[in-house]
Amino acid sequence: ETGVTQSPTHLIKTRGQQVTLRCSSQSGHNTVSWYQQALGQGPQFIFQYYREEENGRGNFPPRFSGLQFPNYSSELNVNALELDDSALYLCASSLPGLAMNTYNEQFFGPGTRLTVL
Amino acid sequence: GENVEQHPSTLSVQEGDSAVIKCTYSDSASNYFPWYKQELGKGPQLIIDIRSNVGEKKDQRIAVTLNKTAKHFSLHITETQPEDSAVYFCAAPSQFVFGPGTRLSVLP
Repeated sequence: ETGVTQSPTHLIKTRGQQVTLRCSSQSGHNTVSWYQQALGQGPQFIFQYYREEENGRGNFPPRFSGLQFPNYSSELNVNALELDDSALYLCASSLPGLAMNTYNEQFFGPGTRLTVL
Repeated sequence: GENVEQHPSTLSVQEGDSAVIKCTYSDSASNYFPWYKQELGKGPQLIIDIRSNVGEKKDQRIAVTLNKTAKHFSLHITETQPEDSAVYFCAAPSQFVFGPGTRLSVLP
């Protein structure tokens, strides 16, 4: 069984640029959630995808967008990068819940560390 | 809004001692209370969770206790080992809202 993988592992961008981060979910998992983790803080929920549709969103602006593909892999896109976007971006896959407050274990990938200069 | 706190923010214990981390939340709607462990260079990993109809759950050296009336739940690690050194996060009131983390150091 393959775990959650993310690419790239590290990325450096400059302000105003756009970035795409990728995530492959664990085998059999069709729900993917994305988190932003600033240094020394807990993960902050960005959004979740289920059946290729956004299925819940945290307090992040529209320049954070995503996609989910038929094979359940997912992308996080961030436009107009700002210095504060520098963080570890985590992807987590799970089995689907009926709603946002159902409780299936999330399996996290190792993250992509994004630095914005 | 949702607010979750963890105490302490850092904790150092001697190998073999016990460690306790407390998580306090403000929204009483939650029914699921997980604890995650994050090692350096890795994503968080679920180590134990508890549902609101249970007051305590144990898994070998790890236990979680829940006081839903007081809106807090705690992680207990007994007989600590150096490999327990990591950052621990609770999540409440939903599994998507993480606390700020507690850095545990187990000194040999």
